[in-house]
Amino acid sequence: AQTVTQSQPEMSVQEAETVTLSCTYDTSENNYYLFWYKQPPSRQMILVIRQEAYKQQNATENRFSVNFQKAAKSFSLKISDSQLGDTAMYFCAFMRYNNNDMRFGAGTRLTVKP
Amino acid sequence: NAGVMQNPRHLVRRRGQEARLRCSPMKGHSHVYWYRQLPEEGLKFMVYLQKENIIDESGMPKERFSAEFPKEGPSILRIQQVVRGDSAAYFCASQGGLGGSSYEQYFGPGTRLTVT
Repeated sequence: AQTVTQSQPEMSVQEAETVTLSCTYDTSENNYYLFWYKQPPSRQMILVIRQEAYKQQNATENRFSVNFQKAAKSFSLKISDSQLGDTAMYFCAFMRYNNNDMRFGAGTRLTVKP
Repeated sequence: NAGVMQNPRHLVRRRGQEARLRCSPMKGHSHVYWYRQLPEEGLKFMVYLQKENIIDESGMPKERFSAEFPKEGPSILRIQQVVRGDSAAYFCASQGGLGGSSYEQYFGPGTRLTVT
């Protein structure tokens, strides 16, 4: 079974600074997908960034980037130039290739302070 | 292109009543997933459906819970004889297919169920 672990229940960062959220996962699969979702107080799940395991290059979306270490089964999210609107719960998720359900971590509550 | 729609957004039921949660996937999507989020926790997979078929219900409680995705109309998650422990946010996600570029799941806004 695949498990996803987010070891930081809460984090805070000053506006405009950089923060890194950690995520590790356990799987015996070689092909899979990894995701970071943001859940603001509205509770809407918003996809932040995704990574295909077969790609060695780390995914980047504007201020968001990942550090994907396949051998270490690590998938951290770096948020640069943090903004107040980044305050939210962040969930790391794993999905096997050609499979169905996603496995989510327990989440990290990020607070961006002015 | 409308996103995934869920209704109602908020639902209050007394213990013992039935709850029906609806999900309309994105246009062109034929795969629907239901997830449950308990307070202060991540989402937990419940069931995966395609039109008129339940593909995987391994995450769904054996009793009181059922799901369907008819040929016409939205997907329905039905909880019979609700108990306080059913209080949670229920999210629906739709997907165009498996593998390739259509693997991404798009989430609806969720239904918050409160059992009093």
